[in-house]
Amino acid sequence: QKEVEQNSGPLSVPEGAIASLNCTYSDRGSQSFFWYRQYSGKSPELIMFIYSNGDKEDGRFTAQLNKASQYVSLLIRDSQPSDSATYLCAVMEGPGGYNKLIFGAGTRLAVHP
Amino acid sequence: KAGVTQTPRYLIKTRGQQVTLSCSPISGHRSVSWYQQTPGQGLQFLFEYFSETQRNKGNFPGRFSGRQFSNSRSEMNVSTLELGDSALYLCASSLQGRAWEQYFGPGTRLTVT
Repeated sequence: QKEVEQNSGPLSVPEGAIASLNCTYSDRGSQSFFWYRQYSGKSPELIMFIYSNGDKEDGRFTAQLNKASQYVSLLIRDSQPSDSATYLCAVMEGPGGYNKLIFGAGTRLAVHP
Repeated sequence: KAGVTQTPRYLIKTRGQQVTLSCSPISGHRSVSWYQQTPGQGLQFLFEYFSETQRNKGNFPGRFSGRQFSNSRSEMNVSTLELGDSALYLCASSLQGRAWEQYFGPGTRLTVT
C-alpha cells in the first residue's frame, strides 16, 4: 500500500514566522510531488509542485524534495493569518499512474496574529 | 474561463439507494479524476478518465463506477449506498500532458442516512 504521511497538527505559528510542513512517502517510484492548500469548507487548490531534488521557490513558498530520504517539505515564510488552512501533501503514483494522486491526511496550520 | 463545476452540491440519500454525481471539467481539459474525502480516510483516489476511457482506478468496491462522455463531462455512480459512503466527492480536471496541474471542483457533499 503506497502511503503518504503527514503530521496532522495543528501547527501553530505566530504571524511573520516561518511555517515548516513535512511529508514522507513510501513509493520510491514516485516522480511528482504536490502541495495543496484546503480552506475549511473549500476544495483543494494547488500551490506548489516539485519533481527534482532540491528546493523550488515561489513567492513566500519553498518546496523541498529529498528523494533519497523520501521526504518532501513546504516552507511558508512571513506567515499570515490568511495562510491558516489544511495543507495536503500529494504524490503522483509512479509510471502509469495517470493522474492518480495519493494524498496525505493533511497538516492543519494556524497562524495567529 | 469557468472552473470545474459539480452538481449537485448537496445530496441526502437513504441506505440502499443509488446516486449519480456529475462533473464538468474546465473547457479543453480532457482528463477527469474523482476523489472521495472523509474525515477518517482523507482524500482518496477513485478513478480517472481520459477520452471516455478509464485509465486508472483506486481501491474502491465495484459499487463505485464512472463514465466520461465525448464532451469530457464525467459522472460517477454509487449503487447500494452505505452509511460509510457519506463523504465529499471531488472531481479534478487537467490538460493532457499537464497532469501536475489538477483543478478541483467545489465537490458534492453526499449524506447517506
